[in-house]
Amino acid sequence: AQSVTQLDSHVSVSEGTPVLLRCNYSSSYSPSLFWYVQHPNKGLQLLLKYTSAATLVKGINGFEAEFKKSETSFHLTKPSAHMSDAAEYFCVVVRWTDKLIFGTGTRLQVFP
Amino acid sequence: EAGVTQFPSHSVIEKGQTVTLRCDPISGHDNLYWYRRVMGKEIKFLLHFVKESKQDESGMPNNRFLAERTGGTYSTLKVQPAELEDSGVYFCASSQENLPSYEQYFGPGTRLTVT
Repeated sequence: AQSVTQLDSHVSVSEGTPVLLRCNYSSSYSPSLFWYVQHPNKGLQLLLKYTSAATLVKGINGFEAEFKKSETSFHLTKPSAHMSDAAEYFCVVVRWTDKLIFGTGTRLQVFP
Repeated sequence: EAGVTQFPSHSVIEKGQTVTLRCDPISGHDNLYWYRRVMGKEIKFLLHFVKESKQDESGMPNNRFLAERTGGTYSTLKVQPAELEDSGVYFCASSQENLPSYEQYFGPGTRLTVT
């Protein structure tokens, strides 16, 4: 069985400071991992994905994530937060053609 | 290119009534998915269509939920009769292929409130 755990339900940062959103996964097989973002009243948008190629994955809007098999982690980072980054972020795991398994989400607040 | 659209954006109905949600996928996407997020919980898979065929409906909660995709274009999700626990946000997504390398594009969701 596969699952993901998002360790923080809420994260607050000041504009210009680093962002770290944590995600740990559990999978019996080599997983594919994604981060999605949802801004208010919008659909989920894919930020980045890991599908067994490079372990450091770069996404849109300056976000990146590193797949660490030894730690079963796929944390999302950004060097400098922007006000427009305020949204809810979802870590997702999938094995091949199986269904997407979502984490419970992390709401990111960015203060000026 | 138009994205995935869902209608209505919000729906408030009374327990026992019927509601039909609609999803229009991106043109040319054979794969269509329904997901649901109940308040405070994670987004959960409901079912997956390939064209007009149900590929996987393992996430459908019970037989009060009926999904269709006649003609392999838009899809509807009917809840009949609605119960209080059906409240939540229903998302639709579409993709070209059912593979991790192909992005699932999500619609904005339909917020269903059952009173």
